[in-house]
Amino acid sequence: DAGVTQSPTHLIKTRGQQVTLRCSPKSGHDTVSWYQQALGQGPQFIFQYYEEEERQRGNFPDRFSGHQFPNYSSELNVNALLLGDSALYLCASSFSGTGDNNEQFFGPGTRLTVL
Amino acid sequence: QKEVEQDPGPLSVPEGAIVSLNCTYSNSAFQYFMWYRQYSRKGPELLMYTYSSGNKEDGRFTAQVDKSSKYISLFIRDSQPSDSATYLCAMLRSNFGNEKLTFGTGTRLTIIP
Repeated sequence: DAGVTQSPTHLIKTRGQQVTLRCSPKSGHDTVSWYQQALGQGPQFIFQYYEEEERQRGNFPDRFSGHQFPNYSSELNVNALLLGDSALYLCASSFSGTGDNNEQFFGPGTRLTVL
Repeated sequence: QKEVEQDPGPLSVPEGAIVSLNCTYSNSAFQYFMWYRQYSRKGPELLMYTYSSGNKEDGRFTAQVDKSSKYISLFIRDSQPSDSATYLCAMLRSNFGNEKLTFGTGTRLTIIP
């Protein structure tokens, strides 16, 4: 099991551009959550996808959007990039059922730099 | 006021020392309390979690939760250089897989050989 994988590893963009980040969940997981981690900060919840729908959303503007595919993989899109969008973007996958075995497993992240 | 507060450090201790890491929180709805370890340029990995109040021990690591004070702690005994990382506390209201995690800012820990 490869665990949660994310691509690309690093990305450099300029202000105003658009970016797409990708995530493949751990085998057996059906829920994908995205987090933004600015330098020196803890991860902040962006949104969560389940059954190809956005189920929860954090306090992020509409420039941040996502998608989940039938194979449970997910994309995070950010439009009109700002300097403040520079961060490590983390994907976490989990199983939607109840119980204590529903740990959210994190991928290694995509480091986005906006110039 | 942030829902979860954590001293960002940095914290440096000699090898073999006992390390104490702490977080406070304001949302009384939190029921699950987690500690994640994050190495440089890696994603967070779950160290241990506690449901509601009480203590939990796993090897050299002990997690404590005091819901009456809204205060959680992680103790590391016999600290090793490999323990050098950023430690993040995180909390959930319920139902692990469906809930968003609310994190503290993380404490950067260095164990000096």
